[in-house]
Parts: sequence; C-alpha cells; structure tokens
Amino acid sequence: GAVVSQHPSWVICKSGTSVKIECRSLDFQATTMFWYRQFPKQSLMLMATSNEGSKATYEQGVEKDKFLINHASLTLSTLTVTSAHPEDSSFYICSAPPRQGFERDGYTFGSGTRLTVV
Amino acid sequence: GNSVTQMEGPVTLSEEAFLTINCTYTATGYPSLFWYVQYPGEGLQLLLKATKADDKGSNKGFEATYRKETTSFHLEKGSVQVSDSAVYFCAYSSASKIIFGSGTRLSIRP
Repeated sequence: GAVVSQHPSWVICKSGTSVKIECRSLDFQATTMFWYRQFPKQSLMLMATSNEGSKATYEQGVEKDKFLINHASLTLSTLTVTSAHPEDSSFYICSAPPRQGFERDGYTFGSGTRLTVV
Repeated sequence: GNSVTQMEGPVTLSEEAFLTINCTYTATGYPSLFWYVQYPGEGLQLLLKATKADDKGSNKGFEATYRKETTSFHLEKGSVQVSDSAVYFCAYSSASKIIFGSGTRLSIRP
C-alpha cells in the first residue's frame, strides 16, 4: 500500500531556532498533503493543506509565517517551524489523501514528529 | 461546530476481554466515519470505515456500526489481544478533510 515517510521522528531544538519536518510519499505521487498537530490528550488538529505547485491553505488561527509549508514536488512536502518556542512543542503528523481508485485504503499517515523546544 | 467525541483513556483490559470504545460525532450531512489505529512508534492506519447509515465496518475482529439516529460509531471487539494495545482514533470526513477525536489509549494485559 501507499507509504508516507516522515522525518525526523523526534527533534529537540533550542528556543528561537527553526526546525524542518519532511514528508515523502514513497511509492506514489501526492499532490496534496495535510499537516496536523496534536497536543497531549487532545485531537489531531488540522493546521494546513499543502498542494504541489501552489500555496498552502492554512486553517483559521494558524500562523502562516510561523509554520512554513512547501510542497516542492509530487513526492515531498515540508513543514518548517520558524523561531520555535516552547509552546510549539507538540506532535506533528502529515497525511496524504487516498490515491484515485484506492479510496477504500483511506488516508496515509506519516509516523509523526515529536518536537520539543527547550 | 463539527466535532468528534470519544471515550477518554487510558483503557486497560485483560486479554480476551470485550472492548467498547464510544464515539459520537457532530456533523452536517452524511459524513463517512472512520476508526484509525496508531501502534507504538508508527503512523496512523485505517482500521475500518463506514460510508452510510447502518453500514458496519469491520477488520481484524473489530467492528463499528454507523448509527445516524444516535450519531455514534462505537468500536467493539469481542476478545482483545495484547497486540491490540495502541491508540485508537475515531474520525469523520468533511469537505475533503478528516476531523479526529482525541484518541483513546488501549492497553491489554496478558
């Protein structure tokens, strides 16, 4: 089935630095990628939707300048947390929608990135 | 607004026990409903789904029935195994997005 590879799986960074998270679709082309974050004991909250070749669509309340999303190719989408602060510490996970003709497989998720800002 | 409410965890059961994880949703129209599972160190995987009222999704011994009258999609399994230990997320699709519940951590004792 479809696989989305997400890296890194965990990262610790200093406050004020930037962190890039990558999601690659390994055996299919993902023209769309969804980015979620999850705080402890809370739901996965959709942050933004990246689209290959166009600007990302951000959900209400998500800072575009802080969470930079780039979908440079059909197999790579990145999320960069800029000038990270401790409150950005969270679990970030990407997801690609099902391929055409494989809708019953559902969405494919990366394994997630746990970001800790110290 | 649209939301998914699921049973808070953690849930701890003995092997071979009966499992129910409750899930209710608030949505307009007729969304598709899902249960996703996340095993330790892995990404979310689709466990089962139902696309219309009274549909029953099933996989790996798990079942859930789409109940429109109660807006529920409770997950059940008759006899759990240690390997079922994971976090379970109830979700529904809305306008090409997925809305998730907060997840329920399930631990099964041998």
